Amino acid sequence: GAGVSQSPSNKVTEKGKDVELRCDPISGHTALYWYRQSLGQGLEFLIYFQGNSAPDKSGLPSDRFSAERTGGSVSTLTIQRTQQEDSAVYLCASSPLAGALHFGNGTRLTVT
Amino acid sequence: DQQVKQNSPSLSVQEGRISILNCDYTNSMFDYFLWYKKYPAEGPTFLISISSIKDKNEDGRFTVFLNKSAKHLSLHIVPSQPGDSAVYFCAAKGGGYQKVTFGTGTKLQVIP
Repeated sequence: GAGVSQSPSNKVTEKGKDVELRCDPISGHTALYWYRQSLGQGLEFLIYFQGNSAPDKSGLPSDRFSAERTGGSVSTLTIQRTQQEDSAVYLCASSPLAGALHFGNGTRLTVT
Repeated sequence: DQQVKQNSPSLSVQEGRISILNCDYTNSMFDYFLWYKKYPAEGPTFLISISSIKDKNEDGRFTVFLNKSAKHLSLHIVPSQPGDSAVYFCAAKGGGYQKVTFGTGTKLQVIP
């Protein structure tokens, strides 16, 4: 079946512009995660959605970052007023209630 | 506060030999542990997991060992193959939370 789909695969933007990253999770998966991987770093947790519960936003690095999950399916991560330090690969993952995370291939964001 | 630590950033092993990747954690609430493999330009893929009620889980060439008293787990790959060359991430969750915390990764190179 279809895996986790992320778009765009690459995004180059100018400092100060807003960007939206999209994630289509695996159908039926109730949990959705966003992580990012900066150059040479590990996977940094950003935000977690589970069903209709309030999301865990504890990993969002600043108030310029926000995320939505509409209808319990597609999610959008928005970064406002991008900065060069926002450059990273943004990874989305989904999972059933209890189980392993399945990742998409990520969006490589470059802020110039 | 790095709750999941992979202290070896890289490891080189001869083809056919055993690869041992190590991971330490600090949060005693973690009760479920996972290993992921990541190739360049792809998202991490799930390899194997272990619950804290076990101390060993085996799947083909991959075995994960858990030492709860030492807060340590390891992934053994036997025999190692060139296709195993990738970055390996250790991850953990628990305490009733679904947030998954990842380590910084170990880059494995299997030399033909």
